[in-house]
Amino acid sequence: EAGVTQFPSHSVIEKGQTVTLRCDPISGHDNLYWYRRVMGKEIKFLLHFVKESKQDESGMPNNRFLAERTGGTYSTLKVQPAELEDSGVYFCASSPLPGQATYEQYFGPGTRLTVT
Amino acid sequence: DAKTTQPPSMDCAEGRAANLPCNHSTISGNEYVYWYRQIHSQGPQYIIHGLKNNETNEMASLIITEDRKSSTLILPHATLRDTAVYYCIVRPRAGANNLFFGTGTRLTVIP
Repeated sequence: EAGVTQFPSHSVIEKGQTVTLRCDPISGHDNLYWYRRVMGKEIKFLLHFVKESKQDESGMPNNRFLAERTGGTYSTLKVQPAELEDSGVYFCASSPLPGQATYEQYFGPGTRLTVT
Repeated sequence: DAKTTQPPSMDCAEGRAANLPCNHSTISGNEYVYWYRQIHSQGPQYIIHGLKNNETNEMASLIITEDRKSSTLILPHATLRDTAVYYCIVRPRAGANNLFFGTGTRLTVIP
């Protein structure tokens, strides 16, 4: 079974540009999560999809971040315009059932975003 | 959101048991204890979870005290590949599904 995949693995962009990160969850997983770790800080939750619906987006830092999950399969996270403080590693995770805290989340390898 | 306390770092000799402690004195009755780890340059990896009873799987054992205010993750025979940051996380049975990662414990397995 393929795990969670993320693309690209690394992105370097200039301040003010736009970047789109993609996450493909494990097939059949309804839950999809985005997290990020900015330099020197802890891993922080960004948002949670159940299928195509945003269940919780309380961790989104501001309106420069837009997440979508059309069709309830893969998800994209767009940063527009990117700022220096957006640099970090963005992780995606998925889990199989909605609302079940006992089900672990499977993480992808992350996308390292560098804004210069 | 920090509901757990872990030592910032620990060392363990290769082949020996690694015992990673976690305090969660404010845990409520419907909250589970989860352990994840992050090996350098990889995404976090689920290890084990428990509610009241001790748990064991192919990766580790989880010992939860009777009052549930603390727990210990045990890696029975640590290898160099177990060098990672280990996170102890408490989560409710239902409701919020996001994980709150603290600072974790950086475990270094020494040859």
